[in-house]
Amino acid sequence: DSGVTQTPKHLITATGQRVTLRCSPRSGDLSVYWYQQSLDQGLQFLIQYYNGEERAKGNILERFSAQQFPDLHSELNLSSLELGDSALYFCASSVAEVGTGAGKLFFGSGTQLSVL
Amino acid sequence: DAKTTQPPSMDCAEGRAANLPCNHSTISGNEYVYWYRQIHSQGPQYIIHGLKNNETNEMASLIITEDRKSSTLILPHATLRDTAVYYCIVRVEARGSTLGRLYFGRGTQLTVWP
Repeated sequence: DSGVTQTPKHLITATGQRVTLRCSPRSGDLSVYWYQQSLDQGLQFLIQYYNGEERAKGNILERFSAQQFPDLHSELNLSSLELGDSALYFCASSVAEVGTGAGKLFFGSGTQLSVL
Repeated sequence: DAKTTQPPSMDCAEGRAANLPCNHSTISGNEYVYWYRQIHSQGPQYIIHGLKNNETNEMASLIITEDRKSSTLILPHATLRDTAVYYCIVRVEARGSTLGRLYFGRGTQLTVWP
């Protein structure tokens, strides 16, 4: 158990819909990261937050947005869903943003999103 | 961040050492080498990281060449549960860098057979 909690574990929805994925980081971790994993793209970095502020963006679509709340949990919002958005979405957390070992991330078990 | 090159697949007999190579010939002086693994559809798991010295922990050993252009992850006594995709990643640790962006390539699928 990594200590990172993601809900829900599975989500089935239809095209055009909007969903919210939730992530609770490990206790004490200030950084939260979102990754998308599909069969053809591998693990793709989406976005990172640190203590409530956006710090880095990857290949995140404009239809997707995220935020980190004062209690440090994070939500990833996916809207106008398309078939191609079907993927595993992982959240990860780390204690630090910089410094040795800041790349040591703890991943949740993921949310499997199926868009039908 | 520097790119890495890993063989797409390897296999190893249970109980033997698994040596997973990684080439990172364009690595810069402030980039660390990280290794993660992902067991089928689970979240990636951190294994080990290092800058230029060899490192060892309860999971594995990391050997980095003197010129830092390549590294090897060693699982000393592979078990069936070590079957996974292993990712080698290089990452800058300094403030102002591409913080948080761990780029996962395709990794190496390690299969441990009985």
